[in-house]
Amino acid sequence: GESVGLHLPTLSVQEGDNSIINCAYSNSASDYFIWYKQESGKGPQFIIDIRSNMDKRQGQRVTVLLNKTVKHLSLQIAATQPGDSAVYFCAENRNDYKLSFGAGTTVTVRA
Amino acid sequence: DGGITQSPKYLFRKEGQNVTLSCEQNLNHDAMYWYRQDPGQGLRLIYYSQIVNDFQKGDIAEGYSVSREKKESFPLTVTSAQKNPTAFYLCATTGTGRTGELFFGEGSRLTVL
Repeated sequence: GESVGLHLPTLSVQEGDNSIINCAYSNSASDYFIWYKQESGKGPQFIIDIRSNMDKRQGQRVTVLLNKTVKHLSLQIAATQPGDSAVYFCAENRNDYKLSFGAGTTVTVRA
Repeated sequence: DGGITQSPKYLFRKEGQNVTLSCEQNLNHDAMYWYRQDPGQGLRLIYYSQIVNDFQKGDIAEGYSVSREKKESFPLTVTSAQKNPTAFYLCATTGTGRTGELFFGEGSRLTVL
């Protein structure tokens, strides 16, 4: 079936380095994608989104890249900080009123 | 403050008991959702409601029930028919006519003893 998935379940990064979190999707009809951050015991928080008519979008310290050719989405975090330690989810719009989530990547920032 | 309130935050239940999780929002959003999260897994959609008095099954609706009598409220009942109810439950809303950014509550952790 069609699904959203992340390439790696965990990522360890040195404080100050850049982080790259990857996500593959299989629904070629999806036209909207979101990245969420979830801290332990809390609900997911919106980070950044991108529509399929774009291939790059930048926010504060974060950049999302979309490659529709290979159905790949990535989240780049610049100058990773300890507060960036969390689980990161990508989500795709399957159809109206539904988002489909990947399994998540746990990011651990080393001091 | 505007937001989504889920209660209780922690809930313990014995096998065979029904429990109801509350989700209240004051964002004036039309659409509300319930997701289930298990360790190491993504969020799976249980039920969603686009408008008052209407709701649809998600991917894993078996053993759950919902109601949407008010715009602000979307309670989820975990029935005794749910085989493995221990999980973290998340309520979300969106105000856009089509799925856009979802706003999440802080979650309710249900443990079956």
